[in-house]
Amino acid sequence: DIQLTQSPSFLSASVGDRVTITCRASQGISSYLAWYQQKPGKAPKLLIYAASTLQSGVPSRFSGSGSGTEFTLTISSLQPEDFATYYCQQLNSWWTFGQGTKVEIK
Amino acid sequence: QVQLVQSGAEVKKPGASVKVSCKASGYTFTGYYMHWVRQAPGQGLEWMGRINPNSGGTNYAQKFQGRVTMTRDTSISTAYMELSRLRSDDTAVYYCAREGQQLVRLYYYYYMDVWGKGTTVTVSS
Repeated sequence: DIQLTQSPSFLSASVGDRVTITCRASQGISSYLAWYQQKPGKAPKLLIYAASTLQSGVPSRFSGSGSGTEFTLTISSLQPEDFATYYCQQLNSWWTFGQGTKVEIK
Repeated sequence: QVQLVQSGAEVKKPGASVKVSCKASGYTFTGYYMHWVRQAPGQGLEWMGRINPNSGGTNYAQKFQGRVTMTRDTSISTAYMELSRLRSDDTAVYYCAREGQQLVRLYYYYYMDVWGKGTTVTVSS
């Protein structure tokens, strides 16, 4: 099974900060990676697929990059509504999620 | 609008089974795979498997093989997930999610683009 490891697991940041979350795969997955945002008590929301393609309606401050085994999600200027937990997901060999990164207000 | 409406919360005893439904609307039900994902309290997301609503074919995560059954009723655009031999660590929110796909740079990429609101299943004696 392909394992995904996100870092950090927890991140404290301020409004306006640039935030980067990393997702590492245990083996190469090309660009078969998606990112989701989840707020407490809500279902996950798709942000990015194919490692770097922004889902329709998602603000352009979100961006994704990477291929193979290392990927990043970047929020260029953190907004109050961005405080949430973020998950990466691989789709190269069935489907698995990273353990999540919680972004909290500093 | 495209939406997935899930059945209500369930409380079950250990050893019992639970069946959760997910009714699709706003799109062609048979045109998209349906996934099931669960989330234990305070934990991350866990993929359980998926069903092809057109053929009924299924793919299950190895962890749930033998305990999970995914079915569908195309006449009412509804997918079902049944989990048997419940244990306390099956207590979780269970989500259904539609699998979307897009051609990007000459390849098809997949994702979960529409989610239900979740069904809370509590397993307790």
